[in-house]
Amino acid sequence: EAGVTQFPSHSVIEKGQTVTLRCDPISGHDNLYWYRRVMGKEIKFLLHFVKESKQDESGMPNNRFLAERTGGTYSTLKVQPAELEDSGVYFCASSQDFLGGRFFGPGTRLTVL
Amino acid sequence: LAKTTQPISMDSYEGQEVNITCSHNNIATNDYITWYQQFPSQGPRFIIQGYKTKVTNEVASLFIPADRKSSTLSLPRVSLSDTAVYYCPRHSYNTDKLIFGTGTRLQVFP
Repeated sequence: EAGVTQFPSHSVIEKGQTVTLRCDPISGHDNLYWYRRVMGKEIKFLLHFVKESKQDESGMPNNRFLAERTGGTYSTLKVQPAELEDSGVYFCASSQDFLGGRFFGPGTRLTVL
Repeated sequence: LAKTTQPISMDSYEGQEVNITCSHNNIATNDYITWYQQFPSQGPRFIIQGYKTKVTNEVASLFIPADRKSSTLSLPRVSLSDTAVYYCPRHSYNTDKLIFGTGTRLQVFP
């Protein structure tokens, strides 16, 4: 069974540019989550999709971040325009239900110069 | 939501049993305790989850006392490949969020 995949693995952009991160969850998982860790901080929740609906986006830092999950399959997280403080590792996770843990992808390392 | 707290680091030797503790003084009634393992350049990997008492799977055991203000992850007979960072995020049943702390960096020596 394929795990959660994320693309790209690394992205280096300049301040003010736009970047789109993609996450492909495990097939059949209705729940999809985005988390991120910025330098020196803990991993923090960004948002939660159930199928194509945003269940909880309370962790999104500001309106420069836009997440979508069209069709309830893969998800994208767009940062526009990127700022220096957006640098970090962005993780996607998926799950079938509450119990049993979350399956995390390898993350996308974003560097904003 | 309050984060969990853990020791920053621990050292062990191959073949030993390792117990990593986690403090979650402000745990809510609907919170579960989960443990994840993370290797460099990878995402966290789920190890075990519990609500109270003891849970055991093929990888580890999880001990949660009656007051649920702490938990202990027990790794039997660790190997070099168990060198990783271990997290004990609170998992809120109400919000379905994982609240991570700083994690414990376990180093296993030969």
